[in-house]
This record gives sequence, C-alpha cells and structure tokens, in this order.
Amino acid sequence: GQQVMQIPQYQHVQEGEDFTTYCNSSTTLSNIQWYKQRPGGHPVFLIQLVKSGEVKKQKRLTFQFGEAKKNSSLHITATQTTDVGTYFCAGHPGGYQKVTFGIGTKLQVIP
Amino acid sequence: EAGVVQSPRYKIIEKKQPVAFWCNPISGHNTLYWYLQNLGQGPELLIRYENEEAVDDSQLPKDRFSAERLKGVDSTLKIQPAELGDSAVYLCASSWTGAGGELFFGEGSRLTVL
Repeated sequence: GQQVMQIPQYQHVQEGEDFTTYCNSSTTLSNIQWYKQRPGGHPVFLIQLVKSGEVKKQKRLTFQFGEAKKNSSLHITATQTTDVGTYFCAGHPGGYQKVTFGIGTKLQVIP
Repeated sequence: EAGVVQSPRYKIIEKKQPVAFWCNPISGHNTLYWYLQNLGQGPELLIRYENEEAVDDSQLPKDRFSAERLKGVDSTLKIQPAELGDSAVYLCASSWTGAGGELFFGEGSRLTVL
C-alpha cells in the first residue's frame, strides 16, 4: 500500500531560525495536504497542493509540491513560539483511495 | 459554524470492557471518517462513510470494532471488548467531498485501557 514518509521526526530551533519538513510518497499523488496539530489538540488543515511544481505561501509558511507529485515540503521562515506543534503531510493518490498521513514532524521553538 | 463534535473527550476503562464514541460532523458534510492516532504517530484511517454507507472499512479490526452512521449524520464507533493496545486517541473528521478533500477534525476521544 501507499507509504508516506516524513523527515525529520523532531526539530528544535531557536526562535527566529527557519524550519523545513519534507514529505515523500511511495506513489504519485493526486494532491497533498498539510495539517498542524498543537500539543494536546487535533489536526487542523493548513493547505492542499494539487499541481505539479506548485508553490503556495501563507505568511511565513511556504509549501511546495514536487514536479513528480511524489514529494512535498513545508518551510517556515523566522519561526515563532506560536509555530510549536506537529506538522503532518497527508497524501491522496486519487479517486476513492484513502489519504495517508505521514508520521509528522514535531517542532519545538526555543525562545 | 459549529465544528465536528465528539464525545466523550476522555474515557478510562478496564480491559475487556466495552466503550463507545460518538461524533457529530459539520452540517452538510456527507463524508465522515474515524481515525486512530497513537502517541507520536499520524492519524490512521479506520473507516470512511459516504452518507450512511461505509465505503472503506478495510483498516477496521472487525473482530472487536464496529461503527455505524444511521441516517447519514452522526456516527458511533464501538470497541468490544477493549484491549490494552486500544489505548489511543480516536479522531472523527468530516469533509465536503470524498476521499481526498480537506478534513475537519474533532477534538478527539482519548481512550485509556487499564
């Protein structure tokens, strides 16, 4: 079945440093979604990427979808303490196939 | 707009006891999902409903887990009997569209089996 790998699993950064998490799928995707889960909270949708090579920005967050539609990345510029949480990618192969979540990258921001 | 509502938020039971979780999706969302989230892991799909039909239950351990979505609105997930390894967070989610749509998650039901 489809596998979605995400690295790193943990990341500690000083406030103000940049952060990147990477996601790789074993199969070509129809779309990829990113979610953020705060400690003790539930996953909250951030964005969905659909097109090959797509880049989308949300303030300090930049999301990329690879040309082959098998990998993606999330980059945060100048992290803040409010960025703390676990970031999950979730890949959808298409049609009625299920979305598969990665293991997540847990981000800690040191003030 | 009300979000996805789940209850109970927390449940502690002894092994071999039954437990049930309830979910009310966002109004108008035809697709409802139950996910299992273990500590330090991503959500794993247990079952997906399109209206009242279970269209993907391949990951649901049917010997002890059951789910229903009568009338295509709210849903119940049951475990009977519970085992120690069932301790986890059970997340309900809903979406406008089918399998690949944006997911709106509830706050989850944290189960501890002693």
